[in-house]
Amino acid sequence: KAGVTQTPRYLIKTRGQQVTLSCSPISGHRSVSWYQQTPGQGLQFLFEYFSETQRNKGNFPGRFSGRQFSNSRSEMNVSTLELGDSALYLCASSSLATGTEAFFGQGTRLTVV
Amino acid sequence: QKEVEQNSGPLSVPEGAIASLNCTYSDRGSQSFFWYRQYSGKSPELIMFIYSNGDKEDGRFTAQLNKASQYVSLLIRDSQPSDSATYLCAVDTGRRALTFGSGTRLQVQP
Repeated sequence: KAGVTQTPRYLIKTRGQQVTLSCSPISGHRSVSWYQQTPGQGLQFLFEYFSETQRNKGNFPGRFSGRQFSNSRSEMNVSTLELGDSALYLCASSSLATGTEAFFGQGTRLTVV
Repeated sequence: QKEVEQNSGPLSVPEGAIASLNCTYSDRGSQSFFWYRQYSGKSPELIMFIYSNGDKEDGRFTAQLNKASQYVSLLIRDSQPSDSATYLCAVDTGRRALTFGSGTRLQVQP
């Protein structure tokens, strides 16, 4: 069974630009969550989607947004990039059928210059 | 006070010893508890989860949960150098959003 797939793996963007990251969850998983990991703040929750609906959102500015498609694939978008947005962005998928265990993808390393 | 607290380490143990990693949490409504292992430059890997008070064993790993004292621990028996990594404790309060501790770096000395 394939794991969570995130694309691209690495990105370099300039301040002020926007970026879109993609996540394909484990087959059959309908919940997708996004996290940001930085050395200073650790792993922080961004948002969670289930059946194309955002059910929960973390404490991030409105520049961070996401969506989920009918096939459970998800994208997150960051607009007007700032240097502080440089981070590892992780997507996790959950089945929710048997529990809330979340499985992470390899992540997208975003560098803002 | 941080919602999920872990000692940052490093915790150094000799090969073959038991490594004990601890985590405390502040939200009494927390329902699900997870341990992730993260190697440098890699993404977190789920190694244990526990929902009820008591112990849960899986191979060399044992997760322990005490909701009254609000702590969860991870024991790694027969520690191997390949266990050297950062171990992240995560808590779900039922809102389907994991709150992570800052992680404990474990070093297993050959």
